[in-house]
Amino acid sequence: AQTVTQSQPEMSVQEAETVTLSCTYDTSESDYYLFWYKQPPSRQMILVIRQEAYKQQNATENRFSVNFQKAAKSFSLKISDSQLGDAAMYFCAYRTLYGNKLVFGAGTILRVKS
Amino acid sequence: ETGVTQSPTHLIKTRGQQVTLRCSSQSGHNTVSWYQQALGQGPQFIFQYYREEENGRGNFPPRFSGLQFPNYSSELNVNALELDDSALYLCASSWGLAGAYTDTQYFGPGTRLTVL
Repeated sequence: AQTVTQSQPEMSVQEAETVTLSCTYDTSESDYYLFWYKQPPSRQMILVIRQEAYKQQNATENRFSVNFQKAAKSFSLKISDSQLGDAAMYFCAYRTLYGNKLVFGAGTILRVKS
Repeated sequence: ETGVTQSPTHLIKTRGQQVTLRCSSQSGHNTVSWYQQALGQGPQFIFQYYREEENGRGNFPPRFSGLQFPNYSSELNVNALELDDSALYLCASSWGLAGAYTDTQYFGPGTRLTVL
């Protein structure tokens, strides 16, 4: 069974600084998807970024980028120029290529200090 | 384009009762997945509906059941509520071809269920 591990229960970053959230996963599949979702106090789960495992290039969405290390089964999220609105719970998630379910990690709470 | 909506926002029930939660999928999506998120934890997959048929189920007992309607909206029903059923219930919609392709899941705001 696939598992996703987020080893940082909580992280803090100063406004305008950069922070990296860690995620590792376990799978025997060669093709799959990885995601980062953000869940602010409003509870709505918002997609931040998506990575296809068959793509070597790391995904980027504005201030958000990932470091995808397939051999190490590592998928970290880098947030540049952190803003107060980035404060939320961040979840790393995995899905097989044709799968029907997301497998989530336990989440990392990100606090942004002004 | 309308996003995923869920109703009600909050719900309080007592142990042994039954509850129905509702989800309207995003325009253009034909697949709805339901997740249970206990406090302080990541969401757990309950089941998925694709074109009105159940398309996979997580490790949840049969008292968790669902429906999908021709307009791709969906219901989650939970019978014989237990205290541990207290959680945030998230619905996610996506577009897919069963067994061939599933696009990214987009989530609704959730329903907070409290069982007393």
